[in-house]
Amino acid sequence: SQQGEEDPQALSIQEGENATMNCSYKTSINNLQWYRQNSGRGLVHLILIRSNEREKHSGRLRVTLDTSKKSSSLLITASRAADTASYFCATDYNQGGKLIFGQGTELSVKP
Amino acid sequence: EAEVAQSPRYKITEKSQAVAFWCDPISGHATLYWYRQILGQGPELLVQFQDESVVDDSQLPKDRFSAERLKGVDSTLKIQPAELGDSAMYLCASSYGSLTDTQYFGPGTRLTVL
Repeated sequence: SQQGEEDPQALSIQEGENATMNCSYKTSINNLQWYRQNSGRGLVHLILIRSNEREKHSGRLRVTLDTSKKSSSLLITASRAADTASYFCATDYNQGGKLIFGQGTELSVKP
Repeated sequence: EAEVAQSPRYKITEKSQAVAFWCDPISGHATLYWYRQILGQGPELLVQFQDESVVDDSQLPKDRFSAERLKGVDSTLKIQPAELGDSAMYLCASSYGSLTDTQYFGPGTRLTVL
């Protein structure tokens, strides 16, 4: 099945630093969503950005979307140890609204 | 805060046995999804229900997997017979309406097939 690609696969930073994760996708989308997954747990929805939006903020999260490059980025500012998790982008590929998830970025924030 | 409930949380079975997973979505959510997540990968949609009707089951291995949502509320996903390659996390999610709505995920069931 089609999936977005995320970059990097793993990221390790110190507490207080910013973390940037990227997601690329293949075809036109209705929206793109970012989810967080703590180890062995379910996914938690973070933010949704629609195809006609370019940037969205939620607390320490900033998401950008470039439809011409078919890419999105998630920025977490002033990271905390509690941000340690896997982060996934998911796209609605206009195929009946089916969500396609990327492979994820594993973020480790060291205190 | 309302949550999606799943049981069991962990299941160990031997290959060729039957297994079943249960999901209770957030009250009032018409759309229910079952995903499979292999370790180190993103979730992959197996089946989507709108109320009691299947909307998408294109990725469901129908020779061994079945899913039902008889009264449009809770749902059961069954595997019979289980194979070694079925070892994964099975996640249930629900949303109020269409797939453009936020999906809320349950804690998942970790299946290990020996």
